Amino acid sequence: EAGVAQSPRYKIIEKRQSVAFWCNPISGHATLYWYQQILGQGPKLLIQFQNNGVVDDSQLPKDRFSAERLKGVDSTLKIQPAKLEDSAVYLCASSLVYEQYFGPGTRLTVT
Amino acid sequence: DQQVKQNSPSLSVQEGRISILNCDYTNSMFDYFLWYKKYPAEGPTFLISISSIKDKNEDGRFTVFLNKSAKHLSLHIVPSQPGDSAVYFCAASANNNDMRFGAGTRLTVKP
Repeated sequence: EAGVAQSPRYKIIEKRQSVAFWCNPISGHATLYWYQQILGQGPKLLIQFQNNGVVDDSQLPKDRFSAERLKGVDSTLKIQPAKLEDSAVYLCASSLVYEQYFGPGTRLTVT
Repeated sequence: DQQVKQNSPSLSVQEGRISILNCDYTNSMFDYFLWYKKYPAEGPTFLISISSIKDKNEDGRFTVFLNKSAKHLSLHIVPSQPGDSAVYFCAASANNNDMRFGAGTRLTVKP
């Protein structure tokens, strides 16, 4: 069974630029999550999708972050414009029930 | 707000001995608890979980204990092996939503 795929693995941008991350969940997993993990902290949930509907986006900074999952499969997370404090690893996960399966993450560095 | 806390940032144990990782939570609505293991440059991988209706769950060398009255859970690894060296995250959710993670404990198992 293929795992959660994410791309790119690494991205370096300057502040005020835009960036997008892509995630392909495990086949058949209806729930998809995006997390932000800042160095030294645990993952923080940004948004949770059930199929293509948003279940929870209470911690998503909506003035600069957006996410979509149009066909209920792949998802993209966008930051526009980026700030220095957005430097982190962005993790995508998917689940059938409780256990979430994570991708390798995208390490974003904002300079 | 830190609803899930791992107060020990690091733990060092001799190979063959027991490793005990601790986690405290504040939200009494949490009904499902999980432990994840993370190696460098990889996403977290699911290790073991427990429902709030149980107080113990065992899977091979890994056992999770839940003390609801104290809002405390722990992960026991017996015997510890060098390959167990990783960062361990405690996580909790309520109604399968809004998963909250602790900051992680870095376990080092010395040969």
